[in-house]
Amino acid sequence: AQSVTQPDIHITVSEGASLELRCNYSYGATPYLFWYVQSPGQGLQLLLKYFSGDTLVQGIKGFEAEFKRSQSSFNLRKPSVHWSDAAEYFCAVGAGTYKYIFGTGTRLKVLA
Amino acid sequence: KAGVTQTPRYLIKTRGQQVTLSCSPISGHRSVSWYQQTPGQGLQFLFEYFSETQRNKGNFPGRFSGRQFSNSRSEMNVSTLELGDSALYLCASRGTGGRSPLHFGNGTRLTVT
Repeated sequence: AQSVTQPDIHITVSEGASLELRCNYSYGATPYLFWYVQSPGQGLQLLLKYFSGDTLVQGIKGFEAEFKRSQSSFNLRKPSVHWSDAAEYFCAVGAGTYKYIFGTGTRLKVLA
Repeated sequence: KAGVTQTPRYLIKTRGQQVTLSCSPISGHRSVSWYQQTPGQGLQFLFEYFSETQRNKGNFPGRFSGRQFSNSRSEMNVSTLELGDSALYLCASRGTGGRSPLHFGNGTRLTVT
């Protein structure tokens, strides 16, 4: 079955520290992978996407993600977190041409 | 380019009533999808419309329906509202091509009392 797992419901980091949010997917074919961010009361904003090619993709706001086929993972990273990064982050897989499956999200808290 | 616009931002309804939510996609986008977001269930896919036709449907009861107009604007209707329908309803549009990402609006917060 197609699925996306974000094992961490909540993560707390100090401002300036590095960040890694985990995402594992289950999908039979080559996946299209996305990370979105949602601030309170807002919609989801696309951070980055992976379709093919270079397995390390750069996104907006200084985020990057690495696709590892052998581990079925697409983890999101940022070298130095800012207080404004506090939000909820969603990993998603494009399962087929028109279907998207979202993870349950990871809520990031940033300590000053 | 204007983003996805959803109206209204907030709604308060009573059980048994019906409600209509509206979504205007990004100009040129012909696909519009609707999602329900709740703290317990996360993002759940409702349906997708493309060129006025429903192309995909999630696992929701028939009380949830939608439509798309020739200008790609979409509406979602929920009839006989239940308390459990309280949620953030998100609309997303996407361009043509299987790899196009979803672009979301800011949602409509529906509260059913």
